[in-house]
Order: sequence, then C-alpha cells, then structure tokens
Amino acid sequence: DADVTQTPRNRITKTGKRIMLECSQTKGHDRMYWYRQDPGLGLRLIYYSFDVKDINKGEISDGYSVSRQAQAKFSLSLESAIPNQTALYFCATSKPGASGANVLTFGAGSRLTVL
Amino acid sequence: QKEVEQDPGPLSVPEGAIVSLNCTYSNSAFQYFMWYRQYSRKGPELLMYTYSSGNKEDGRFTAQVDKSSKYISLFIRDSQPSDSATYLCATDSSNTGKLIFGQGTTLQVKP
Repeated sequence: DADVTQTPRNRITKTGKRIMLECSQTKGHDRMYWYRQDPGLGLRLIYYSFDVKDINKGEISDGYSVSRQAQAKFSLSLESAIPNQTALYFCATSKPGASGANVLTFGAGSRLTVL
Repeated sequence: QKEVEQDPGPLSVPEGAIVSLNCTYSNSAFQYFMWYRQYSRKGPELLMYTYSSGNKEDGRFTAQVDKSSKYISLFIRDSQPSDSATYLCATDSSNTGKLIFGQGTTLQVKP
C-alpha cells in the first residue's frame, strides 16, 4: 500500500457543488500539506498542518478549507467548486530529518475537473 | 515575478546525453534547495536536496547551488529513457516543508 493515499483519484463535478478530497498516511508524520498543480505554474501550497490542532493557510487558500481529523488524515474541501479550481491536487507529508531536511512525501494526486 | 523561475521546456535529448536543468530564485533567504522528479500520473518524489551553496552528487545526478547568482542546477549524466519525466526545483526558506516550486521542466530522453 502507498504511504500517502489520496481519494478520489479522479473526479468530475459541476460548478457550485461541494467536493472533498481525502488524504491518509501511514508514515507517522506530523506535518501534512495540500498542494495544487496547474500547467505552467508548478505546485502551489493551499493549506498545511504541523499537528492535529494546527491549521495554516498557504499561498492560495481562498475557496478551500481543510480538516485534520487525526494525525494520519487531512482532507481538503471545496465548498462551492468553480471551473478555475480544475487542477491536480496533491497531499504530502513530512517529518524533519536528522540532517535537518524537511523532505516531503507526496501522494499520487487527485485530478479534479469542475464543469 | 515568481519567486522561483524554471524553463518549462520541453527538453528532448538523445540517450547518453548530459542534461542540464536550471532554476533561478529571487529571495536570498532561501537556504534549502530540492529537485523533485515527477513521472506521468504520479506524485513528485525527492531526487536530491542541498543546503546552502555547493554541489551534491548521487550517481548520475549532480545538484549545484550558486547563492551569489541565485541559480540552481541539476545535471544528469549518461541520460536514460527512464529519466524521462518532469523535474521540479523547489526551495524552502525555513525548512518547514512550505516549498516554493518552479514551473517544472519536462524532459524526454529518446533511445
């Protein structure tokens, strides 16, 4: 099984619908992140959480919300989806290493299309 | 201006070629520099990580950071078709995992 699992892998929805993307991890990492990837723009940080009681906005949080249900679970919600939220969404986890590096482990991605 | 700029390519090279991938960044506070590789329909995976300036080598891959010119490079020697992927440079000013990514360069290595 994958260390970081995202569901669903693909989703097509309509404008105005509420959508939830879920992420679960088995790495035991405290830190979790949601990134969005768009062609020509790279990955951009939406929200991040350093532990269960810690939630922080990233670069592009407008239109999104998150919930950290447990150390292993971090979900991303779009309350009212709009077409420009069509993108590839990645969940990632990290734990600072002995070398000091904060290496991210990414899930396989959730492709969302908003019509 | 994006904080990290990367030529998106695509870049196509013959098998065995030396590949040079580059990024520039604007904030001198960035201390941690990473290269991630992303295969089609997969999430990015860490390829190499460097702290501050200097070189780091891992097999056929060499990462180079020049903080004086704010330039990040990844060199791939003896490139293989299996190296065909998108390569993303990233920086982290405070080692929190709040990475700032370049746009990614798509590389194709032809047999």
